Amino acid sequence: GDSVTQMEGPVTLSEEAFLTINCTYTATGYPSLFWYVQYPGEGLQLLLKATKADDKGSNKGFEATYRKETTSFHLEKGSVQVSDSAVYFCALSGRSSASKIIFGSGTRLSIRP
Amino acid sequence: DAGVIQSPRHEVTEMGQEVTLRCKPISGHDYLFWYRQTMMRGLELLIYFNNNVPIDDSGMPEDRFSAKMPNASFSTLKIQPSEPRDSAVYFCASSPPLAVGYTFGSGTRLTVV
Repeated sequence: GDSVTQMEGPVTLSEEAFLTINCTYTATGYPSLFWYVQYPGEGLQLLLKATKADDKGSNKGFEATYRKETTSFHLEKGSVQVSDSAVYFCALSGRSSASKIIFGSGTRLSIRP
Repeated sequence: DAGVIQSPRHEVTEMGQEVTLRCKPISGHDYLFWYRQTMMRGLELLIYFNNNVPIDDSGMPEDRFSAKMPNASFSTLKIQPSEPRDSAVYFCASSPPLAVGYTFGSGTRLTVV
């Protein structure tokens, strides 16, 4: 079945460091891909998404490119801030909202001042 | 738009008691999802509805769990009787038709003692 694998955390970086969180997927057809972020004590928020191959999703300085050839959707940010400390979830879904969103296990990111 | 509203935010109950969690989806969203989040199992989809009709309840752990959606603006998740292993954060999410991605509520943190 469809699945998402993301790098295990926790990931600890210093402020202004470059961030990469790896995500790969297994799916039939052409899923939509997402990154969600969960701040402490809150629900998940959609960070960015891409719906077809080679699309780049971006938001708040974060980027991820839908790579069909490597079945990957790695999250990157050029310069992280303390406020980026959160848990990040990679996810996929089928072509309609009737499909379940399948989440990865989450990666906890901590940024040191 | 007030977003997806869940209540209560926190619930502490004794083992054996009935617990009811509530969710108000975003107006116009035809899909409603209930998730459970724990450290051990991550995010699990319990059940989802389309136009108030349950579509897939294969994630409901056992008969102690039940969910209803009596109208387009309200859903409940009930646990009867509750057990300590039900302690988790329960999230509700909603989605409009033909959209890609969900909007999550802030969750209900349930503690069964």
